[in-house]
Amino acid sequence: NAGVTQTPKFQVLKTGQSMTLQCAQDMNHEYMSWYRQDPGMGLRLIHYSVGAGITDQGEVPNGYNVSRSTTEDFPLRLLSAAPSQTSVYFCASIPSSGTEAFFGQGTRLTVV
Amino acid sequence: AQSVAQPEDQVNVAEGNPLTVKCTYSVSGNPYLFWYVQYPNRGLQFLLKYITGDNLVKGSYGFEAEFNKSQTSFHLKKPSALVSDSALYFCAVRDVDTGFQKLVFGTGTRLLVSP
Repeated sequence: NAGVTQTPKFQVLKTGQSMTLQCAQDMNHEYMSWYRQDPGMGLRLIHYSVGAGITDQGEVPNGYNVSRSTTEDFPLRLLSAAPSQTSVYFCASIPSSGTEAFFGQGTRLTVV
Repeated sequence: AQSVAQPEDQVNVAEGNPLTVKCTYSVSGNPYLFWYVQYPNRGLQFLLKYITGDNLVKGSYGFEAEFNKSQTSFHLKKPSALVSDSALYFCAVRDVDTGFQKLVFGTGTRLLVSP
């Protein structure tokens, strides 16, 4: 049982490039979310999903896109990377009971 | 909208002394409250939660938290700190009436326990 798996762990992009951050969970959780962590700002919600085929915007959605074609996977796409998107990104999954969120190990992204 | 405040960027405590990490919250309804810990280069790990019931909640690694509705606070405590407790601690809240995925985090408090 791997929990929440994020890939890659580290990534450097040039401004304007696009990429996809992968997130997969094997716990059959209904809810999944993407957060970004920046110094002094805690974790901010980017996008979330309440089930396959259903996504919605969080607090800071601009510049990011998501889809949820299966229960297990919730990829985050950066459409045209900007230096302001330099951050650590965390994926979380939450069971329908809502008892706690399970986090991946994070992806450290640098945009130059 | 729900929000969380962690007023201290860093808390310093000597090993063996009690520690407190402060958290206050704001929600329109009843809150679900959580504490998470983050060790360097790792994801967040769940420590404890308050859903309903007793105001004193016990969690992992000897941590506990006290829910105070009148003061809208949920402070994290431990009777005797360990050097290994040094980490970044996050308080989080969601309104009972909003979705489970809408978890709002504080800015984090770095705990430094000195030998």
